[in-house]
Amino acid sequence: AQSVTQLDSQVPVFEEAPVELRCNYSSSVSVYLFWYVQYPNQGLQLLLKYLSGSTLVESINGFEAEFNKSQTSFHLRKPSVHISDTAEYFCAVSDLEQGYNKLIFGAGTRLAVHP
Amino acid sequence: DGGITQSPKYLFRKEGQNVTLSCEQNLNHDAMYWYRQDPGQGLRLIYYSQIVNDFQKGDIAEGYSVSREKKESFPLTVTSAQKNPTAFYLCASSTQRGRGDTQYFGPGTRLTVL
Repeated sequence: AQSVTQLDSQVPVFEEAPVELRCNYSSSVSVYLFWYVQYPNQGLQLLLKYLSGSTLVESINGFEAEFNKSQTSFHLRKPSVHISDTAEYFCAVSDLEQGYNKLIFGAGTRLAVHP
Repeated sequence: DGGITQSPKYLFRKEGQNVTLSCEQNLNHDAMYWYRQDPGQGLRLIYYSQIVNDFQKGDIAEGYSVSREKKESFPLTVTSAQKNPTAFYLCASSTQRGRGDTQYFGPGTRLTVL
């Protein structure tokens, strides 16, 4: 079965600084990877996902993630963060179990952007 | 607007009581899911359903029950057998086209046991 490790439980950063949120997954023949964002007391929203093709995927609000098969990583980056990016970020991998499409989530990384 | 609604937003329960959390979607999705979220633990799957009148246990199904009588609805009952039910509960839905399907989440219900 797949597993996901988010290496940092909390990441504090100043506004306009770059940030990287790290995610590693257990190896598999093929993987589908997701980043979700959760604002306080809300549900999760899809930020971006990797299915195939280009290893660099981008979101509409400036985040990007790079699929690295050799390092089994899918780190999320943003070159310049805003206060509004303060949220919890979850990395997830898709796994098949008895024909069912299951998402395995990491424990989450809380990004705190300070002025 | 298409989406997933969960109600109530906050729920308080006395020990020994069963409570039911509502989840409705108008996205015409076949699959629906219930997750439990605890601080520092990410999301854990409670139950999932791929089609009406069928559902399967997830990783932490003990103390919970579900039904799927309509495509749009997937209510979760937290029974008195659930030893530590205080948590944030999230419902999600997706198509069933394949492993790359995006799961769409509702706003969640925060359950507190008094």
